[in-house]
Amino acid sequence: AQSVTQLDSQVPVFEEAPVELRCNYSSSVSVYLFWYVQYPNQGLQLLLKYLSGSTLVKGINGFEAEFNKSQTSFHLRKPSVHISDTAEYFCAVNAGNMLTFGGGTRLMVKP
Amino acid sequence: DGGITQSPKYLFRKEGQNVTLSCEQNLNHDAMYWYRQDPGQGLRLIYYSQIVNDFQKGDIAEGYSVSREKKESFPLTVTSAQKNPTAFYLCASSLRTEGDTQYFGPGTRLTVL
Repeated sequence: AQSVTQLDSQVPVFEEAPVELRCNYSSSVSVYLFWYVQYPNQGLQLLLKYLSGSTLVKGINGFEAEFNKSQTSFHLRKPSVHISDTAEYFCAVNAGNMLTFGGGTRLMVKP
Repeated sequence: DGGITQSPKYLFRKEGQNVTLSCEQNLNHDAMYWYRQDPGQGLRLIYYSQIVNDFQKGDIAEGYSVSREKKESFPLTVTSAQKNPTAFYLCASSLRTEGDTQYFGPGTRLTVL
């Protein structure tokens, strides 16, 4: 079985500042890792994913994430956030037939 | 346009009534999923289906039922046995299950009065 922990339930940040959303996972087998974004009252949209290869993954909207196997982490970063990045962000791990989600991190970008 | 549609977007029902949520996809995906989302929580898997006429229980299947008679459709019925059905329900699909991106519909917000 696998589990995902998003260490921060809310992250407030000022516009144009950098941000890191943390994600740690546990699994006894190799995993695939995902970050999704959810805007209010909408479904989830894929930001990026790690399947294999380079540990630094670039996604949409200027986001990137780094897979660290030794620390079992997959933190999401953006060097300069915009007001429009305000949303809920979910980290997820896929091993076997199930996609397991973290509890989510609410990113609040302030002007 | 290819994608996943869920209807209706908002649904109100009286306590004790069964209700069916629709999910349709035209992405030619084999696998489909239903998730439940409660405020401040992540998504929890209700049911999933890897192929037509086959489906498996997820983590919180009690009080729910599904069918998969067509590749494009995966309706979810919330029965009166579900003790706390008010939630946001999300449907997703993928080419297969392991490693593939799941694409999500816009969701249905169910409120039981």
